[in-house]
Amino acid sequence: IAGITQAPTSQILAAGRRMTLRCTQDMRHNAMYWYRQDLGLGLRLIHYSNTAGTTGKGEVPDGYSVSRANTDDFPLTLASAVPSQTSVYFCASSDSAGPDTQYFGPGTRLTVL
Amino acid sequence: RKEVEQDPGPFNVPEGATVAFNCTYSNSASQSFFWYRQDCRKEPKLLMSVYSSGNEDGRFTAQLNRASQYISLLIRDSKLSDSATYLCVVNSYSGNTPLVFGKGTRLSVIA
Repeated sequence: IAGITQAPTSQILAAGRRMTLRCTQDMRHNAMYWYRQDLGLGLRLIHYSNTAGTTGKGEVPDGYSVSRANTDDFPLTLASAVPSQTSVYFCASSDSAGPDTQYFGPGTRLTVL
Repeated sequence: RKEVEQDPGPFNVPEGATVAFNCTYSNSASQSFFWYRQDCRKEPKLLMSVYSSGNEDGRFTAQLNRASQYISLLIRDSKLSDSATYLCVVNSYSGNTPLVFGKGTRLSVIA
């Protein structure tokens, strides 16, 4: 593994189903982030983690949860998917929790029907 | 006023042209500035950081104007491979996000 990986690459999901998007980084970065990107709205922060064991809410956290059990992994869970959660989801990491360069994973394209 | 604003474009330019993008930011306390590039259906990638004195990387020049609160990106001798969306990124002191991303400016370089 080099950098950040995300899985799955894409997914079609029925509304009401539970879904976990996976994100793993091998750069030993302290901070990790989940964004969603929608046409015309740009990147919006969903949740973040400044260091393993801590998480926080971003701009659009409703309907999503995260955990950070270790440095490398930062899964994003949709407990009960709704069509408005159709989006492209990007995981990112940075060495520090401040205004540091963020490195992005390749994204997960999620469609909720 | 939105925290980071960019002209969405698209900018359609011929190969070899010089093109410039501007981005304005609202928080005068912002200290860190970046330009990211995003190709269609791909993740954003850091193009360059923007320093107070301005900086250059090959055909790309980034400048910061603190007084007017804008940053710019100049691309000289445009290549077809420069076609992408360019995101202006600024550090934030509000909310829970350390960085605020602009919505991007789309560039198409035409042969």
